[in-house]
Amino acid sequence: SAVISQKPSRDICQRGTSLTIQCQVDSQVTMMFWYRQQPGQSLTLIATANQGSEATYESGFVIDKFPISRPNLTFSTLTVSNMSPEDSSIYLCSGGGLYGYTFGSGTRLTVV
Amino acid sequence: AQTVTQSQPEMSVQEAETVTLSCTYDTSESDYYLFWYKQPPSRQMILVIRQEAYKQQNATENRFSVNFQKAAKSFSLKISDSQLGDAAMYFCAFNYGAGSYQLTFGKGTKLSVIP
Repeated sequence: SAVISQKPSRDICQRGTSLTIQCQVDSQVTMMFWYRQQPGQSLTLIATANQGSEATYESGFVIDKFPISRPNLTFSTLTVSNMSPEDSSIYLCSGGGLYGYTFGSGTRLTVV
Repeated sequence: AQTVTQSQPEMSVQEAETVTLSCTYDTSESDYYLFWYKQPPSRQMILVIRQEAYKQQNATENRFSVNFQKAAKSFSLKISDSQLGDAAMYFCAFNYGAGSYQLTFGKGTKLSVIP
């Protein structure tokens, strides 16, 4: 199965700034996904990243706040824009298909 | 809409014993896929086991096995000979295929292993 490298693993950011999280997959995957996870909670899907087209966002998430890039089948970025303390969370990327979805190791974001 | 329910927020098991984690789901689809993921404190999501709905045989992976009851929409995970390294959050997840690759997750069960 694919291996996903996600970085940064953690960051502390000032409110009002932006952070870009990167995920690199060691093989081509059709779909990539971005999730948010509060500590001890389940995963909430932010958006599906499609290559060559705009990402598809879930209810409650908008492109202006969480712009996503998917330039090819092995790479994607998620930007958390104009951050507030409410954006403090763990962000994970995922890729793969029905034979199994691989996840990055997550980015723990703290906004102060 | 598909939903996944894990009714046990926390479970504990003695080392070397067996524990079963419950998962139920709701769907009108007939062909779909079910997964169990493990998330230790390192945050890394690890695929434990996968089941295709059209297969009647329950999936097994070493000490991990499932009891898949399609009519009851139940997908429980059995961990045999529990080890300290099994301590983690366990998430049940569902995908209905048909061109959709999205996973729907349950709320998770925190498993503690007692030495």
